[in-house]
Amino acid sequence: AQSVTQPDIHITVSEGASLELRCNYSYGATPYLFWYVQSPGQGLQLLLKYFSGDTLVQGIKGFEAEFKRSQSSFNLRKPSVHWSDAAEYFCAVGGLMNIGFQKLVFGTGTRLLVSP
Amino acid sequence: DGGITQSPKYLFRKEGQNVTLSCEQNLNHDAMYWYRQDPGQGLRLIYYSQIVNDFQKGDIAEGYSVSREKKESFPLTVTSAQKNPTAFYLCASSNTGLGGANVLTFGAGSRLTVL
Repeated sequence: AQSVTQPDIHITVSEGASLELRCNYSYGATPYLFWYVQSPGQGLQLLLKYFSGDTLVQGIKGFEAEFKRSQSSFNLRKPSVHWSDAAEYFCAVGGLMNIGFQKLVFGTGTRLLVSP
Repeated sequence: DGGITQSPKYLFRKEGQNVTLSCEQNLNHDAMYWYRQDPGQGLRLIYYSQIVNDFQKGDIAEGYSVSREKKESFPLTVTSAQKNPTAFYLCASSNTGLGGANVLTFGAGSRLTVL
């Protein structure tokens, strides 16, 4: 069964500094990988996804992530954090339950705090 | 604009009562999902439906029930059998297709508190 580990529960970054959120996954085949962001009391919004091809994927709001098969990782990065990036970030890995259908398994999330 | 509407946003329930959370989408998505979110535990899948009049249990279906009578609607009932129902509930939808590479669109969530 697939699983996702986000080792950092909280991270604090100064505004303007770079950011890297860690995500490690376990899956028996080529994974589908996702990063979602959640503002307090809201639903989740997709930041970016990896299905195949180029291992460096670009997303919305200036985020990017790199798929490293050898390390089973899909870390999220941003070169310069803005105060509005403060939120909770979830990594997710997908697998097939039926042809054409996908079940996502989510990590436990990393809460990003941005200091002035 | 297309999206997912969940209601109510906040709901309080007394122990022993069933409550139903509404989820409506106008994205013309075939698949719909219910997730439960608890602090520090991520999202856990309760039920999902790939097509009208069909649904399957997820990882934590005990104490919950669903129906899918219309493509747009996927209500979740939290029954009195659910031992710890206080949580944040998220509804999502997606397309389906060969390859399984589906992307979820989420509603804004419903927070249920049992008094």
